Amino acid sequence: NAGVTQTPKFQVLKTGQSMTLQCAQDMNHNSMYWYRQDPGMGLRLIYYSASEGTTDKGEVPNGYNVSRLNKREFSLRLESAAPSQTSVYFCASREFLAFYEQYFGPGTRLTVT
Amino acid sequence: DAKTTQPPSMDCAEGRAANLPCNHSTISGNEYVYWYRQIHSQGPQYIIHGLKNNETNEMASLIITEDRKSSTLILPHATLRDTAVYYCIVSGGGGNKLTFGTGTQLKVEL
Repeated sequence: NAGVTQTPKFQVLKTGQSMTLQCAQDMNHNSMYWYRQDPGMGLRLIYYSASEGTTDKGEVPNGYNVSRLNKREFSLRLESAAPSQTSVYFCASREFLAFYEQYFGPGTRLTVT
Repeated sequence: DAKTTQPPSMDCAEGRAANLPCNHSTISGNEYVYWYRQIHSQGPQYIIHGLKNNETNEMASLIITEDRKSSTLILPHATLRDTAVYYCIVSGGGGNKLTFGTGTQLKVEL
């Protein structure tokens, strides 16, 4: 099993450009999450999807949109990137009954100039 | 969710036990204590969780005080590979809303 995969690994955008970060998991997990981590900080939840067909806002949703494409895939879209969105983005997934354990991907390092 | 307080950094000699404290004095009755760690900018990794009782697994032990206002994560025989940032998280949101603070940077040295 690959676990949680994220693409791309690195990305540089100019202010105002848009892009979509992709996340996929092969563990048949119901719940999926998007976090961002700024330098020297902990992770902050952007959006999550408790199950296929549902999405909910986390702590810092402004400037982002998400799509739960199917049970495996959960994408994060930046419509108009801003320098404040420079960060490392982590995707995670969780089995419904194992509420305590989220599995994280390797992250996408995004720089907005 | 309850706020947690952790020391920003700790050192430990390889082979010794690493005891990482966490204060969560405002924890409520239905909130769990979770521990995750993050090794060198990788994605965080789950370690252990507990509600009231002490817990042990193959990675670590979790000691929760009787009043649940603080807890200690114990790595019984720390190795260099345990060097990481350790996050103590308190949450009752069914596991959906984990709030990661700045954690404790544990450095294991020879």
